[in-house]
Amino acid sequence: DQQVKQNSPSLSVQEGRISILNCDYTNSMFDYFLWYKKYPAEGPTFLISISSIKDKNEDGRFTVFLNKSAKHLSLHIVPSQPGDSAVYFCAASSNNAGNMLTFGGGTRLMVKP
Amino acid sequence: GAVVSQHPSRVICKSGTSVKIECRSLDFQATTMFWYRQFPKQSLMLMATSNEGSKATYEQGVEKDKFLINHASLTLSTLTVTSAHPEDSSFYICSAREASGYTGELFFGEGSRLTVL
Repeated sequence: DQQVKQNSPSLSVQEGRISILNCDYTNSMFDYFLWYKKYPAEGPTFLISISSIKDKNEDGRFTVFLNKSAKHLSLHIVPSQPGDSAVYFCAASSNNAGNMLTFGGGTRLMVKP
Repeated sequence: GAVVSQHPSRVICKSGTSVKIECRSLDFQATTMFWYRQFPKQSLMLMATSNEGSKATYEQGVEKDKFLINHASLTLSTLTVTSAHPEDSSFYICSAREASGYTGELFFGEGSRLTVL
């Protein structure tokens, strides 16, 4: 039973355009959500996070939106750059579960020059 | 930001041997470290939670006698793959959380690719 799902395994975007990566979750106890970026053969690096008490968090080119009623979050990257090409994982945690992270399956983003 | 270092980054071993992977938090104390495994083109799967000074908590389906975890200090956790077999070949990643606080943000090591011949 996948509690965190990223339904798009890959996404291709032109440089300069917006990249939108989506993530859905089923566990209503999740109260903190994170996005990680991962290059091949490297560990994930933290990108941006959002608490369940917010619906938007912005950091430079990256914005995360949270729709609690729909149990859906998305990561917007604008403008997209070729260096953004990587696999993006969304993750969720809950205070009740000791803050362990549950990861989605990842979405491979390819930004074309 | 916080730094987590893993060693070795790559290891090739013969079937039946044991391999140890180290995970260190370089500039913070980590009471809790996590070990993940990633198969090609798949997500990160949590294997176990390593708690300093106590036994690790393993996820369902993970053999604790095969994947030995030791968290002897606040800055070091080790994963030993015992009697490795080709099916153990994978990318192993550790992560750590600062002892003081937390909201769930983890810092990840660089990962260790294990190839068992």
